[in-house]
Formats: sequence, C-alpha cells, structure tokens
Amino acid sequence: NAGVMQNPRHLVRRRGQEARLRCSPMKGHSHVYWYRQLPEEGLKFMVYLQKENIIDESGMPKERFSAEFPKEGPSILRIQQVVRGDSAAYFCASSPSSGRLGAGELFFGEGSRLTVL
Amino acid sequence: AQSVTQPDIHITVSEGASLELRCNYSYGATPYLFWYVQSPGQGLQLLLKYFSGDTLVQGIKGFEAEFKRSQSSFNLRKPSVHWSDAAEYFCAVGLYNQGGKLIFGQGTELSVKP
Repeated sequence: NAGVMQNPRHLVRRRGQEARLRCSPMKGHSHVYWYRQLPEEGLKFMVYLQKENIIDESGMPKERFSAEFPKEGPSILRIQQVVRGDSAAYFCASSPSSGRLGAGELFFGEGSRLTVL
Repeated sequence: AQSVTQPDIHITVSEGASLELRCNYSYGATPYLFWYVQSPGQGLQLLLKYFSGDTLVQGIKGFEAEFKRSQSSFNLRKPSVHWSDAAEYFCAVGLYNQGGKLIFGQGTELSVKP
C-alpha cells in the first residue's frame, strides 16, 4: 500500500477556495481510481483514469470536481469552490490492468483528508 | 442497481473468540468479491478476493470468506481474533469489465476486548 503516494495527507480549506489532491500510482501501474469516503460511510467511486484519458467519471459530481492523469506527473483531483459537504477522505488507488485480474487488485494510498471550514 | 450490504455497523468480540462479519450483495450475475480492512487514519488493505472456483477463499492474517451464491453472501470469518484485528472492514463488489470500479458496503467496525 505504501507504493501509492497521496499528498497532502491533510488539507484545510475555507468555503469557496480550491482544493488540489495529488496521487502518484505504484510504479508500473497505469490505472488510477479516486474514491471518496464521507464520515461514517463506505468508499464511493468517483473516477477512473488512465494516462491522459478519463475512462469512467460516473461517480464525479457534475460541478466543481475534475480529475486528470497527465502523461507526466501525478493524477490530480481538483475541487473548486469547496463547500462544507466536500469534507471527506479522498482515496486514490492504482492497478496494473483493467481486466479481470485488475478488478479489485487495487492498491490504495493512505488518503487525503479534506476539511472545509 | 448493484449494492452491497453489511448489516452490522459495529461488532465487539473478545480476544480469542471467533468472528464472522456479514456481507450481502445485489447483482445480476456473479460479481468479483472482496474484503478490505482499514485501520484508523490509514488506507485500505486487501484481505482476500473471490473471482471464481472454490467458494472458500483464504486470505491474509488468518481470514477466510465463503461465497454462497444462493444467499448472495460473502461472509468473512476468523477462528480466533487478535487485538490487532480491531479495525473497519469493508466488503466490496467488482463488476465484470469495469476494472477497479468497486461498490463498497458501509463497513463494519470491529472492536476487540481483552
């Protein structure tokens, strides 16, 4: 698990500010997933990316949220104009493939905990 | 719609006692099934997974799980719990051809008393 690096681990923002969360997948992994965990809840899928492509963003809120995974550098989850309801733990996971062997073979980072004041 | 239900929000067991955490899923076909564990402030660690074949699956840390198609269940078991097993446990369903897009249950928090 230590192979997936997320930063920052903790982020505090005031309402209306922007939050940027970064994720570097494990070496050799080209598939990145973002999940959100609200207090007292399980993880909810947000988005699935491969290098330079968004494959599935069915779990992303329609507004203010965006994600990218550029050819070089980490994946970024960006939340614009944050509101209190965005306070959550955001987990990144990576996998080596997308097929059956990739299903669930997710390696999770330790999460970024966003607090909106 | 696909869903995963973990009926028990919180369970307390004595150290050395046996453990069973329940998980039921709703899906039109046999999904891929997983159990993850999350320690406070940490990410998730995969305990075990089921794709096909033998319905009794062995995982790490002495855990096992049994897939029962007729009951749409995938319960997690451990014969003797250790204090270090105290954590949150999540059951998850993976869907064919959807890679790492998992549907998680709400989680079961396990407390272990001496």
